[in-house]
Amino acid sequence: GQNIDQPTEMTATEGAIVQINCTYQTSGFNGLFWYQQHAGEAPTFLSYNVLDGLEEKGRFSSFLSRSKGYSYLLLKELQMKDSASYLCAVRERGGSYIPTFGRGTSLIVHP
Amino acid sequence: KAGVTQTPRYLIKTRGQQVTLSCSPISGHRSVSWYQQTPGQGLQFLFEYFSETQRNKGNFPGRFSGRQFSNSRSEMNVSTLELGDSALYLCASSWGQGLYEQYFGPGTRLTVT
Repeated sequence: GQNIDQPTEMTATEGAIVQINCTYQTSGFNGLFWYQQHAGEAPTFLSYNVLDGLEEKGRFSSFLSRSKGYSYLLLKELQMKDSASYLCAVRERGGSYIPTFGRGTSLIVHP
Repeated sequence: KAGVTQTPRYLIKTRGQQVTLSCSPISGHRSVSWYQQTPGQGLQFLFEYFSETQRNKGNFPGRFSGRQFSNSRSEMNVSTLELGDSALYLCASSWGQGLYEQYFGPGTRLTVT
């Protein structure tokens, strides 16, 4: 089984940088995903990490350390539209792939 | 390219009834996964279908079942509905098996009374 922890809520100022952390415990790691979900909408894929290191995609970057069971999502130049829930999900290795999602971090961006 | 579509968008059912939800993936995508989202449990994986075969299954009772057709469209069925089945049911598609980059549909909001 898996256990995924991420902060419940974070606030930040428009134009700033925010880091959303995710820690996990799993018996067989096989990839970590970040999704963005605006209120009342479906999740949108942001990033996928399977090897250690930083993956950069525009204003968003995601980092993974498999030895520490740790990932973070970095959002730069925050905009009001970035106010959303950010979900961390871990996929387990094995004969089947079952993703487990964290409860999500609600990010509030204020002017 | 059209996105993932789900029908119906809203549904109200009574305890004990059954329900069938439909999902049409993005053209060219062969994998369809289903998720349940509730305020209490968050987003939980139900199952994944690829090439008409169930490839992965989450920890849900047998009342939850699904199938995939040759055109990759998928249906999910819940029998003997319980109040706790009230949730947003999300379908996601991707080009390959294994739950890589997935694109979610808008979901079906199911209310069981």
